[in-house]
Amino acid sequence: GENVEQHPSTLSVQEGDSAVIKCTYSDSASNYFPWYKQELGKRPQLIIDIRSNVGEKKDQRIAVTLNKTAKHFSLHITETQPEDSAVYFCAAPLPNDYKLSFGAGTTVTVRA
Amino acid sequence: SQTIHQWPATLVQPVGSPLSLECTVEGTSNPNLYWYRQAAGRGLQLLFYSVGIGQISSEVPQNLSASRPQDRQFILSSKKLLLSDSGFYLCAWSGSFTEPQHFGDGTRLSIL
Repeated sequence: GENVEQHPSTLSVQEGDSAVIKCTYSDSASNYFPWYKQELGKRPQLIIDIRSNVGEKKDQRIAVTLNKTAKHFSLHITETQPEDSAVYFCAAPLPNDYKLSFGAGTTVTVRA
Repeated sequence: SQTIHQWPATLVQPVGSPLSLECTVEGTSNPNLYWYRQAAGRGLQLLFYSVGIGQISSEVPQNLSASRPQDRQFILSSKKLLLSDSGFYLCAWSGSFTEPQHFGDGTRLSIL
Protein backbone atom coordinates (compact mmCIF):
# COMPACT_ATOMS: atom_id res chain seq x y z
CA GLY A 1 0.00 0.00 0.00
CA GLU A 2 1.11 3.54 -0.63
CA ASN A 3 0.92 4.44 3.05
CA VAL A 4 2.36 1.27 4.57
CA GLU A 5 5.61 -0.55 3.82
CA GLN A 6 6.06 -4.11 5.02
CA HIS A 7 9.27 -6.14 5.41
CA PRO A 8 10.41 -8.77 4.75
CA SER A 9 8.41 -10.06 1.80
CA THR A 10 9.31 -13.65 2.67
CA LEU A 11 10.43 -15.21 5.92
CA SER A 12 11.49 -18.80 6.57
CA VAL A 13 11.99 -19.93 10.16
CA GLN A 14 12.66 -23.18 11.94
CA GLU A 15 9.80 -24.52 13.99
CA GLY A 16 10.07 -23.19 17.53
CA ASP A 17 11.95 -20.05 16.52
CA SER A 18 10.48 -16.55 16.49
CA ALA A 19 9.28 -14.57 13.50
CA VAL A 20 9.18 -10.79 13.29
CA ILE A 21 7.50 -8.71 10.60
CA LYS A 22 7.86 -4.94 10.51
CA CYS A 23 5.70 -2.26 8.96
CA THR A 24 6.24 1.45 8.62
CA TYR A 25 3.62 4.09 7.95
CA SER A 26 3.86 7.64 6.80
CA ASP A 27 1.05 9.56 8.48
CA SER A 28 1.62 10.37 12.13
CA ALA A 29 -2.15 10.74 12.65
CA SER A 30 -2.75 7.03 12.01
CA ASN A 31 -4.14 5.49 15.19
CA TYR A 32 -5.21 1.91 14.46
CA PHE A 33 -3.01 -0.94 13.25
CA PRO A 34 -4.45 -4.39 12.48
CA TRP A 35 -2.63 -7.55 11.40
CA TYR A 36 -4.22 -10.18 9.17
CA LYS A 37 -3.27 -13.77 8.45
CA GLN A 38 -4.22 -15.32 5.13
CA GLU A 39 -3.82 -19.02 4.59
CA LEU A 40 -3.58 -20.33 1.05
CA GLY A 41 -6.87 -19.93 -0.77
CA LYS A 42 -8.63 -18.48 2.26
CA ARG A 43 -9.80 -15.04 3.32
CA PRO A 44 -7.62 -12.73 5.42
CA GLN A 45 -8.47 -13.02 9.09
CA LEU A 46 -7.70 -10.50 11.81
CA ILE A 47 -5.25 -11.98 14.31
CA ILE A 48 -4.38 -8.97 16.43
CA ASP A 49 -4.64 -5.20 16.38
CA ILE A 50 -3.28 -2.28 18.36
CA ARG A 51 -4.37 1.29 18.91
CA SER A 52 -2.08 4.24 19.26
CA ASN A 53 -2.67 4.69 22.97
CA VAL A 54 -0.71 1.51 23.81
CA GLY A 55 2.78 0.36 22.91
CA GLU A 56 2.35 -3.40 23.02
CA LYS A 57 -0.37 -6.00 22.95
CA LYS A 58 -0.09 -9.76 23.40
CA ASP A 59 -2.33 -12.69 22.62
CA GLN A 60 -0.73 -16.02 23.47
CA ARG A 61 2.16 -16.51 21.02
CA ILE A 62 1.41 -13.35 19.07
CA ALA A 63 2.37 -9.82 20.02
CA VAL A 64 2.32 -6.47 18.30
CA THR A 65 4.48 -3.50 19.23
CA LEU A 66 4.00 0.09 18.17
CA ASN A 67 6.58 2.87 18.05
CA LYS A 68 4.69 6.06 17.24
CA THR A 69 7.80 8.21 17.22
CA ALA A 70 9.46 6.09 14.57
CA LYS A 71 6.13 5.34 12.89
CA HIS A 72 6.54 1.61 12.78
CA PHE A 73 4.77 -1.40 14.21
CA SER A 74 5.81 -5.03 14.30
CA LEU A 75 4.26 -8.47 14.60
CA HIS A 76 6.08 -11.01 16.75
CA ILE A 77 5.27 -14.72 16.63
CA THR A 78 7.04 -16.83 19.23
CA GLU A 79 7.48 -20.61 19.32
CA THR A 80 6.41 -20.86 15.68
CA GLN A 81 4.47 -23.90 14.54
CA PRO A 82 3.78 -25.25 11.03
CA GLU A 83 0.23 -23.87 11.19
CA ASP A 84 1.71 -20.37 11.43
CA SER A 85 2.74 -20.70 7.77
CA ALA A 86 0.69 -18.13 5.86
CA VAL A 87 0.81 -14.66 4.36
CA TYR A 88 0.62 -11.87 6.93
CA PHE A 89 -0.59 -8.37 6.13
CA CYS A 90 -0.28 -5.23 8.21
CA ALA A 91 -2.53 -2.23 7.68
CA ALA A 92 -3.11 1.32 8.82
CA PRO A 93 -6.09 3.60 8.19
CA LEU A 94 -5.75 6.64 6.01
CA PRO A 95 -6.81 9.51 8.31
CA ASN A 96 -10.15 11.14 7.60
CA ASP A 97 -10.89 8.31 5.24
CA TYR A 98 -12.73 5.02 5.34
CA LYS A 99 -9.94 2.95 3.90
CA LEU A 100 -7.19 0.76 5.24
CA SER A 101 -3.82 0.90 3.53
CA PHE A 102 -2.44 -2.65 3.46
CA GLY A 103 1.18 -3.69 3.34
CA ALA A 104 2.30 -5.89 0.47
CA GLY A 105 2.33 -8.99 2.68
CA THR A 106 4.93 -11.34 4.17
CA THR A 107 4.95 -15.01 3.27
CA VAL A 108 5.98 -16.91 6.39
CA THR A 109 7.13 -20.51 6.08
CA VAL A 110 7.74 -22.52 9.22
CA ARG A 111 10.08 -25.46 8.59
CA ALA A 112 9.39 -28.58 10.61
CA SER B 1 -23.05 -11.69 15.95
CA GLN B 2 -22.15 -10.26 12.58
CA THR B 3 -21.65 -12.43 9.54
CA ILE B 4 -20.72 -11.70 5.95
CA HIS B 5 -21.84 -13.79 3.01
CA GLN B 6 -20.27 -13.69 -0.41
CA TRP B 7 -21.15 -15.72 -3.47
CA PRO B 8 -20.43 -17.52 -5.64
CA ALA B 9 -17.28 -19.15 -4.27
CA THR B 10 -15.87 -19.82 -7.72
CA LEU B 11 -16.80 -18.55 -11.15
CA VAL B 12 -15.50 -19.22 -14.64
CA GLN B 13 -16.55 -16.69 -17.24
CA PRO B 14 -15.65 -16.07 -20.90
CA VAL B 15 -14.04 -12.82 -21.97
CA GLY B 16 -16.67 -10.21 -22.77
CA SER B 17 -19.35 -11.70 -20.54
CA PRO B 18 -21.04 -9.74 -17.72
CA LEU B 19 -20.36 -10.19 -14.03
CA SER B 20 -22.32 -9.84 -10.85
CA LEU B 21 -20.89 -10.72 -7.44
CA GLU B 22 -22.97 -10.22 -4.34
CA CYS B 23 -22.08 -9.60 -0.74
CA THR B 24 -24.42 -9.29 2.23
CA VAL B 25 -23.79 -8.55 5.87
CA GLU B 26 -25.95 -9.61 8.80
CA GLY B 27 -26.08 -8.46 12.39
CA THR B 28 -25.01 -4.84 11.95
CA SER B 29 -26.42 -1.60 10.60
CA ASN B 30 -24.83 0.98 8.32
CA PRO B 31 -21.54 -0.86 7.88
CA ASN B 32 -18.69 0.41 5.73
CA LEU B 33 -18.43 -2.04 2.83
CA TYR B 34 -15.43 -2.81 0.64
CA TRP B 35 -14.53 -4.76 -2.49
CA TYR B 36 -10.93 -5.93 -2.91
CA ARG B 37 -9.19 -7.89 -5.63
CA GLN B 38 -6.18 -10.09 -5.03
CA ALA B 39 -4.09 -11.44 -7.88
CA ALA B 40 -2.35 -14.77 -7.28
CA GLY B 41 0.46 -14.35 -4.77
CA ARG B 42 -0.13 -10.62 -4.47
CA GLY B 43 -1.54 -8.11 -2.01
CA LEU B 44 -4.99 -6.62 -1.55
CA GLN B 45 -6.11 -4.02 -4.06
CA LEU B 46 -9.05 -1.91 -2.94
CA LEU B 47 -11.56 -1.53 -5.77
CA PHE B 48 -14.57 0.19 -4.18
CA TYR B 49 -15.87 1.20 -0.81
CA SER B 50 -19.19 2.48 0.46
CA VAL B 51 -20.18 4.27 3.64
CA GLY B 52 -23.91 4.22 2.96
CA ILE B 53 -26.71 3.27 0.58
CA GLY B 54 -26.02 4.60 -2.89
CA GLN B 55 -22.62 5.99 -1.86
CA ILE B 56 -19.78 4.41 -3.82
CA SER B 57 -16.15 5.49 -3.99
CA SER B 58 -13.99 4.06 -6.73
CA GLU B 59 -10.30 3.52 -6.19
CA VAL B 60 -9.14 2.15 -9.50
CA PRO B 61 -10.43 3.15 -12.97
CA GLN B 62 -11.45 -0.02 -14.76
CA ASN B 63 -14.37 -1.80 -16.32
CA LEU B 64 -15.87 -2.75 -12.96
CA SER B 65 -18.61 -0.97 -11.04
CA ALA B 66 -20.20 -1.35 -7.64
CA SER B 67 -23.62 -0.65 -6.20
CA ARG B 68 -25.19 -0.63 -2.76
CA PRO B 69 -28.94 -0.95 -3.24
CA GLN B 70 -29.58 -1.80 0.41
CA ASP B 71 -27.80 -1.02 3.66
CA ARG B 72 -26.16 -4.44 3.96
CA GLN B 73 -25.84 -5.43 0.32
CA PHE B 74 -22.87 -4.66 -1.88
CA ILE B 75 -22.68 -5.75 -5.52
CA LEU B 76 -19.70 -5.82 -7.88
CA SER B 77 -20.51 -5.77 -11.57
CA SER B 78 -19.03 -5.63 -15.01
CA LYS B 79 -20.65 -5.33 -18.41
CA LYS B 80 -17.74 -6.97 -20.25
CA LEU B 81 -15.04 -8.94 -18.50
CA LEU B 82 -11.39 -8.78 -19.54
CA LEU B 83 -8.71 -11.43 -19.07
CA SER B 84 -7.07 -9.11 -16.54
CA ASP B 85 -10.17 -9.27 -14.34
CA SER B 86 -9.20 -12.74 -13.16
CA GLY B 87 -8.45 -12.92 -9.46
CA PHE B 88 -9.71 -13.49 -5.97
CA TYR B 89 -12.46 -10.99 -5.08
CA LEU B 90 -13.04 -10.25 -1.44
CA CYS B 91 -15.85 -8.33 0.18
CA ALA B 92 -15.31 -6.84 3.65
CA TRP B 93 -17.19 -4.79 6.21
CA SER B 94 -16.26 -2.64 9.18
CA GLY B 95 -18.06 -0.53 11.74
CA SER B 96 -15.72 2.40 11.17
CA PHE B 97 -12.30 3.01 9.68
CA THR B 98 -10.69 2.50 13.08
CA GLU B 99 -12.27 -0.89 13.57
CA PRO B 100 -11.26 -4.19 12.00
CA GLN B 101 -12.37 -5.09 8.53
CA HIS B 102 -13.96 -8.52 8.35
CA PHE B 103 -13.65 -10.39 5.09
CA GLY B 104 -16.01 -12.74 3.30
CA ASP B 105 -14.81 -16.08 1.97
CA GLY B 106 -14.10 -14.59 -1.43
CA THR B 107 -14.94 -15.43 -5.04
CA ARG B 108 -12.27 -16.95 -7.24
CA LEU B 109 -12.93 -15.60 -10.75
CA SER B 110 -11.29 -17.13 -13.78
CA ILE B 111 -11.68 -15.53 -17.20
CA LEU B 112 -11.23 -17.76 -20.23
